[in-house]
Amino acid sequence: KAGVTQTPRYLIKTRGQQVTLSCSPISGHRSVSWYQQTPGQGLQFLFEYFSETQRNKGNFPGRFSGRQFSNSRSEMNVSTLELGDSALYLCASSRTGAGGELFFGEGSRLTVL
Amino acid sequence: QKEVEQNSGPLSVPEGAIASLNCTYSDRVSQSFFWYRQYSGKSPELIMSIYSNGDKEDGRFTAQLNKASQYVSLLIRDSQPSDSATYLCASHSGYALNFGKGTSLLVTP
Repeated sequence: KAGVTQTPRYLIKTRGQQVTLSCSPISGHRSVSWYQQTPGQGLQFLFEYFSETQRNKGNFPGRFSGRQFSNSRSEMNVSTLELGDSALYLCASSRTGAGGELFFGEGSRLTVL
Repeated sequence: QKEVEQNSGPLSVPEGAIASLNCTYSDRVSQSFFWYRQYSGKSPELIMSIYSNGDKEDGRFTAQLNKASQYVSLLIRDSQPSDSATYLCASHSGYALNFGKGTSLLVTP
């Protein structure tokens, strides 16, 4: 059974640019959650999508957005990148939702210069 | 602010010993708790979930939950060098998992 797939795995951007990250969940999982992981703050919840609808959103500015497609694949976008956005962005899929057992992808490591 | 607290470590144990990892949480209404293992440079991997007070065993791992004390722990028996990783505790905050910053475990041969 295929796991959670995230692309790209690594990317380097400059301040002011935007970035789009992609996530394909485990087959049959309709919930996709996104987390930001940094050494200082740990894992922080960005948002969750379930059946193409955003169900919940964490405490991040509006520059962070996402969407989910009918096949459950999800994308997140960060606009007007700042140095502080450098982080590992993790996607997690779940059968039940963001508060249940989460299965993480390998992550997309974003470096903002 | 709903928080999950863990000692950052590192916790060093000799091979074959029992490693004990602890976690406290502030949200009294949390009902579900999870332990994840994260190797350096990798993503978190679910080890165990626990929902009821008491112990839950899975192989060498035992999770313990005490809701009255708002305390969750993970015991690793017969620790192996391959268990060296950061262990993340998480609680269900109402709409997402709230993670601690993790405890670094080092198992020395």
